[in-house]
Amino acid sequence: AQSVAQPEDQVNVAEGNPLTVKCTYSVSGNPYLFWYVQYPNRGLQFLLKYITGDNLVKGSYGFEAEFNKSQTSFHLKKPSALVSDSALYFCAVSPGGTTSGTYKYIFGTGTRLKVLA
Amino acid sequence: EPEVTQTPSHQVTQMGQEVILRCVPISNHLYFYWYRQILGQKVEFLVSFYNNEISEKSEIFDDQFSVERPDGSNFTLKIRSTKLEDSAMYFCASSEEYGYTFGSGTRLTVV
Repeated sequence: AQSVAQPEDQVNVAEGNPLTVKCTYSVSGNPYLFWYVQYPNRGLQFLLKYITGDNLVKGSYGFEAEFNKSQTSFHLKKPSALVSDSALYFCAVSPGGTTSGTYKYIFGTGTRLKVLA
Repeated sequence: EPEVTQTPSHQVTQMGQEVILRCVPISNHLYFYWYRQILGQKVEFLVSFYNNEISEKSEIFDDQFSVERPDGSNFTLKIRSTKLEDSAMYFCASSEEYGYTFGSGTRLTVV
């Protein structure tokens, strides 16, 4: 079965320190990978995506993610965390291409990031 | 920047009542989706819609659910007879291919 795992329910990091939010996936073929952020009572905001090419992807607000095919991972990183980065982060995978008119996403369970001042 | 618009932002309904959640996707997008999120939990796929028909649906999307694109701009999700467990945040999304734009969601509360 296709799945996405975010093994940490919560990540705490001090402001100014680097942060990593982990994501691994189990999807056949060549998946497309995404990170979204959700602030309280808000929708899902796109951060970045990996489709093909360079394994290191840069996105919004200084975030980046590294695609590692051998480890089937797509961890989200930021060199220096801000208090305003505190939010719920979702990793999502699309199995790649359309089979019948769909680019369905499979979401991870989310990781709550708390940046401490 | 183009947006996906969802209305209403919050709907309270009595159990057994029908609700219609509305979405206006981005105009040149071809693929449309509904997802739901039960209070801060995992975001779950409900249905995808392409070329004026459902292209894929999940096991959550049973006979109580239906989708429609009635006029070429709106995209609606109808729940025929709501249950308490339908209480969730419902997100509409649209895409050209694999990069979605999500709406800000409709919080449905069934009492």
